[in-house]
Amino acid sequence: AQSVTQLDSHVSVSEGTPVLLRCNYSSSYSPSLFWYVQHPNKGLQLLLKYTSAATLVKGINGFEAEFKKSETSFHLTKPSAHMSDAAEYFCVVSVNYGQNFVFGPGTRLSVLP
Amino acid sequence: EAQVTQNPRYLITVTGKKLTVTCSQNMNHEYMSWYRQDPGLGLRQIYYSMNVEVTDKGDVPEGYKVSRKEKRNFPLILESPSPNQTSLYFCASSLRRLAGASYEQYFGPGTRLTVT
Repeated sequence: AQSVTQLDSHVSVSEGTPVLLRCNYSSSYSPSLFWYVQHPNKGLQLLLKYTSAATLVKGINGFEAEFKKSETSFHLTKPSAHMSDAAEYFCVVSVNYGQNFVFGPGTRLSVLP
Repeated sequence: EAQVTQNPRYLITVTGKKLTVTCSQNMNHEYMSWYRQDPGLGLRQIYYSMNVEVTDKGDVPEGYKVSRKEKRNFPLILESPSPNQTSLYFCASSLRRLAGASYEQYFGPGTRLTVT
């Protein structure tokens, strides 16, 4: 069965330092992968997506993710954290040829002043 | 404005009292889906629909029903709610996958349901 693992349930960084949120997936074929962000008491917003084009994907608000097939990973990075980045982040894989979407359990990012 | 709307946003009800949460999208999307979000579990898919009159079970369909009579609407029905259905519910829509890639989903604002 396809699945998504987010290796850290909580990540805490200082403002201005790099962010790394880790995601590993399992899929029986080349998947589509997404990162969504959820700010407190808000809905989900798409940060970026990978759909078999370039392996380095740029998203909104300075976030990037790199698809590594050999490692089955799709880690999310940002060079410099901002206070407004504090939120919950979800890694999502599309499975069953696009019929279903499997979410990881989420990583809560805290940004310290 | 392109959006997915859900109503109500907040609902407190009692065990066994049938309820419906509505979902509507104005983007002419074929694909619609319902999720529930619980702490530590991320979002889990309840039901999805690939197009009008086509629905299928997701990972956690027990206790829920859906219908897709029109392209824009995808209501979630709880015939006999129970306390374990207390959760935050999200509706989402997207274009239907074509060969090679999936499209991103657009999410509604969420419905917080409490069943006592």
